[in-house]
Amino acid sequence: QVQVVQSGAEVKSPGASVKVSCKASGYTFTGFYMHWVRQAPGQGLEWMGWINPYSGGTSYAQKFQGWVTMTRDTSISTAYMELSRLTSDDTAVYYCARSQLGKVWYFDLWGRGTLVTVSS
Amino acid sequence: EIVLTQSPGTLSLSPGERATLSCRASQSVFSSFLAWYQQRPGQAPRLLIYGVFTRAAGIPDRFSGSGSGTDFTLTISRLEPEDFAVYYCQQYDASPFTFGPGTKVDIK
Repeated sequence: QVQVVQSGAEVKSPGASVKVSCKASGYTFTGFYMHWVRQAPGQGLEWMGWINPYSGGTSYAQKFQGWVTMTRDTSISTAYMELSRLTSDDTAVYYCARSQLGKVWYFDLWGRGTLVTVSS
Repeated sequence: EIVLTQSPGTLSLSPGERATLSCRASQSVFSSFLAWYQQRPGQAPRLLIYGVFTRAAGIPDRFSGSGSGTDFTLTISRLEPEDFAVYYCQQYDASPFTFGPGTKVDIK
């Protein structure tokens, strides 16, 4: 079954970091980009960036440059998104989503999301 | 950054009716790099349409996309009960890949 499974909900204090995982199965992990998209409560979707699991190359939205890091471990077909210096504005559901290689940056497979709550 | 606006914000219709959702871009989206997603409450978004017109795998043919340049439309020909949800357009012509604010289709 083609799917991506994300790690569980997190509660963090302001100023802390969070690392969310996304494990792929049923397809060739290195054959697709992995993106991260977040959704604040009751709000729309915000694209954060992508990682190429084959090369490890990344591209981040300018808003997140300097405080998001996307990595991967090809041995376990897992992508990671780490967000640092958390504030209450970072409370959101974080999704990983797959896109095909090449300039076709639409997302055909999504994880179920990981709720990150930032609260003191 | 390409800004997408969607209208209306909420569309109240009955099952069996036709839904027409609009997405407008702040600048031209070249190469038809526009997609539509459906999000039901408590669920992840689901890809419906990519490349303006092409339905994703498993998407019923009551969903259709059209448009070019800066104006795009998602049409649901006959609403089924499971179609009441929020719909987002997304451009992938230029980074950052942006989404519209969404149109909620609810039951009248």
